[in-house]
Amino acid sequence: GAGVSQSPRYKVAKRGQDVALRCDPISGHVSLFWYQQALGQGPEFLTYFQNEAQLDKSGLPSDRFFAERPEGSVSTLKIQRTQQEDSAVYLCASSLLWGPGEQFFGPGTRLTVL
Amino acid sequence: GDSVTQMEGPVTLSEEAFLTINCTYTATGYPSLFWYVQYPGEGLQLLLKATKADDKGSNKGFEATYRKETTSFHLEKGSVQVSDSAVYFCALREGTGNQFYFGTGTSLTVIP
Repeated sequence: GAGVSQSPRYKVAKRGQDVALRCDPISGHVSLFWYQQALGQGPEFLTYFQNEAQLDKSGLPSDRFFAERPEGSVSTLKIQRTQQEDSAVYLCASSLLWGPGEQFFGPGTRLTVL
Repeated sequence: GDSVTQMEGPVTLSEEAFLTINCTYTATGYPSLFWYVQYPGEGLQLLLKATKADDKGSNKGFEATYRKETTSFHLEKGSVQVSDSAVYFCALREGTGNQFYFGTGTSLTVIP
């Protein structure tokens, strides 16, 4: 079956532009996670959804970052007024159940802010 | 807070060599521990996991034992192959929490 997909795979933005990153989780997966992975670092948690509800957004680095999952499937991570420090790979993961359970990761979107 | 520290790379080994990648953790409770692997151009994949002390996770010839006394979860493989070349991430999840904490990753290159 299809895994987690993300689009675009690569995004180049000028500083100050808004960007939107899309995640298509595995069909039927309840939980969805966003992570930010800076170069040479491990993924860092941004936010978590259970169905359409955003239950944890403690990892979002600023109010320029916003995530939504309005119908409980596809999710979008939006970054407003991008800054150079936002350059990273943004990973999406989904899992079948709430709470514990294996997370399946997408290939990521590499964002470069010039 | 919770954190994971893993051996820095890059690591270069000859085929059939023995592999150890060290991982230690800090957690307030009773975490589950994981090793994820990222092959070039692909997403993170779960390699193995252990959910309680003294559990051993194993997969594809890789093993790791959850050692509570040393707060460690070292990854080992007796004989590496070229196809094992990838970046390996140690991670923990606290109890039934949703958040994973990842180490910085260790890049492994296996040469023929």
